[in-house]
Amino acid sequence: QVQLQESGPGLVKPSDTLSLTCAVSGHSISSTNWWGWIRQPPGKGPEWIGYIYYSGSAYYNPSLKSRVSMSLDTSKNQFSLKLNSVTAVDTAVYYCARTSSNWYFFDSWGQGTLVTVSS
Amino acid sequence: EIVLTQSPGTLSLSPGERATLSCRASETVYSRNLAWYQQKPGQAPRILIYGASSRATGLPDRFSGSGSGTDFTLTISRVEPEDFAVYYCQQYGNSLLTFGGGTKVEIK
Repeated sequence: QVQLQESGPGLVKPSDTLSLTCAVSGHSISSTNWWGWIRQPPGKGPEWIGYIYYSGSAYYNPSLKSRVSMSLDTSKNQFSLKLNSVTAVDTAVYYCARTSSNWYFFDSWGQGTLVTVSS
Repeated sequence: EIVLTQSPGTLSLSPGERATLSCRASETVYSRNLAWYQQKPGQAPRILIYGASSRATGLPDRFSGSGSGTDFTLTISRVEPEDFAVYYCQQYGNSLLTFGGGTKVEIK
């Protein structure tokens, strides 16, 4: 059974870069799934950040596209998120997730990690 | 970008009652690309329905999804105590995903 686990700093300073990694176990990231990031500000609904395929193809939320990049490390079976020039509005629980094969919904999620942007 | 509007914002029900949750899209969504999730406090969202009407593995049959085009519905035929949660719809279109704002199903 696939498991996903986010890791990274819980506190980031304004204007800095938020960096998170998602370690995947029980399933190869070199498969017919998209690997995504979703965030959820406190008390609000989820917001899709983007997703990446094993080939390296990636799609990002247009509202974040200028600040986001994602990458894969197949040797470690993990993928990463970078969000630069963060502000307080980027404070949220960040989830990594996997889409179901050949579908575009997320069938497996990490537990989420709270990232606070504050000086 | 397709915007999903969920209604009502909050649904107050007693156990055993029927829940009807709406998700309206700003543009046509192919049925295959519409999903519903359940989220409880402190947990990640959990997939319930995909392809507008297909139940996820192990989901009780009191949950059902329907709809097409711009109007989709999640129905819980008889709400159980464990069903009190927030529900989100999500769509895929033109390689982009969006989520609705959610409907909270609370105990009356």
